[in-house]
Amino acid sequence: QKEVEQDPGPLSVPEGAIVSLNCTYSNSAFQYFMWYRQYSRKGPELLMYTYSSGNKEDGRFTAQVDKSSKYISLFIRDSQPSDSATYLCAFRRVTGGGNKLTFGTGTQLKVEL
Amino acid sequence: DVKVTQSSRYLVKRTGEKVFLECVQDMDHENMFWYRQDPGLGLRLIYFSYDVKMKEKGDIPEGYSVSREKKERFSLILESASTNQTSMYLCASSLLPGTEHQPQHFGDGTRLSIL
Repeated sequence: QKEVEQDPGPLSVPEGAIVSLNCTYSNSAFQYFMWYRQYSRKGPELLMYTYSSGNKEDGRFTAQVDKSSKYISLFIRDSQPSDSATYLCAFRRVTGGGNKLTFGTGTQLKVEL
Repeated sequence: DVKVTQSSRYLVKRTGEKVFLECVQDMDHENMFWYRQDPGLGLRLIYFSYDVKMKEKGDIPEGYSVSREKKERFSLILESASTNQTSMYLCASSLLPGTEHQPQHFGDGTRLSIL
């Protein structure tokens, strides 16, 4: 079983739609949960991170973590063409491993006018 | 703003060549990382370093080595390049995590083709 599963997409939505991106994980040691955004021909950039179960909001973005189900989500409200990118979930253990991250394979999102 | 600079955006090399990929960060970060990114496989960690002259293997170190002689510079070396090492290579850096998570900052990648 893979440590992290992420639907690769591609996902195509109209401008203004609500987007839901999801990852499941199997390693109970993962305690930091992150979402990175990667534009074409650029490196990933950190969008949001959270440590606990529940929701964390930042503008149009909401990160949701359900540790009991080992499931994380990123919601994008009022999606814009500028949100078109690949979204990567990432995980880190609290102890051991330094700052090593385990990434999902990424979901490609296209927001169309 | 943190800047992670990778020396080349595109590189074409031949099978058997020794290849050097260079990465420099300007924020005095202790941690540096090398990943490769392949379609359907995501980012996979090759090597990382948490201090000068220190290195640790990641998930896929075979066929690679690294060098960290100065804090700001982390080099990835392909000792004898092979076609299955054709990939996008990404470098990242971060502060050492303490009680707070420290995000990794990425360069824009080197697309390496081995012919």
